[in-house]
Amino acid sequence: AQKITQTQPGMFVQEKEAVTLDCTYDTSDPSYGLFWYKQPSSGEMIFLIYQGSYDQQNATEGRYSLNFQKARKSANLVISASQLGDSAMYFCAMRDTGNQFYFGTGTSLTVIP
Amino acid sequence: EPEVTQTPSHQVTQMGQEVILRCVPISNHLYFYWYRQILGQKVEFLVSFYNNEISEKSEIFDDQFSVERPDGSNFTLKIRSTKLEDSAMYFCASSEIGTGTGQETQYFGPGTRLLVL
Repeated sequence: AQKITQTQPGMFVQEKEAVTLDCTYDTSDPSYGLFWYKQPSSGEMIFLIYQGSYDQQNATEGRYSLNFQKARKSANLVISASQLGDSAMYFCAMRDTGNQFYFGTGTSLTVIP
Repeated sequence: EPEVTQTPSHQVTQMGQEVILRCVPISNHLYFYWYRQILGQKVEFLVSFYNNEISEKSEIFDDQFSVERPDGSNFTLKIRSTKLEDSAMYFCASSEIGTGTGQETQYFGPGTRLLVL
């Protein structure tokens, strides 16, 4: 069974607009962590943002925010004021209590000038 | 800013040969991981390592794979007898602690692109 589901294989956004990348997860663990990573065409994996399952507030890091809806098991990434350099693959990931990481299939984001 | 480094950046090998992929995790990190990403596919967890032993491994991590921390800084992944399907990008990652509040964030190296012919 899929632990992490990203339903948007590709997304387009106009420069300076905001975009939401969807992620839902599946776990029965009470304690888990949720992460978003960016993978540019060069291939490296860049950590963007973290949300712990017990965190009361949504995580924010600069232009990135995580819309955490625990009851719905969703952890959507919101990128505000998109820039051309945001064009990349974005992966949602989850760390479960057993300390295994599970990645989604990714969303390819293209920022249009 | 400290970062995870990996060598080599690219490796080409013949099927059946052994390869060793090397990683230098961030110096104060205690947990180390290997992942692979077959071209165009998602990142897959292979193994996690803590206190000089494997703490978790996936079903991908079979007997042809092994990991080692031969000294205080390096963390290696050995593939004993490579197969065509081992061709992938291999990422090393490290985290400060295994669970917690953000300190479990894994920082990835730039990857080693392995091609098995």
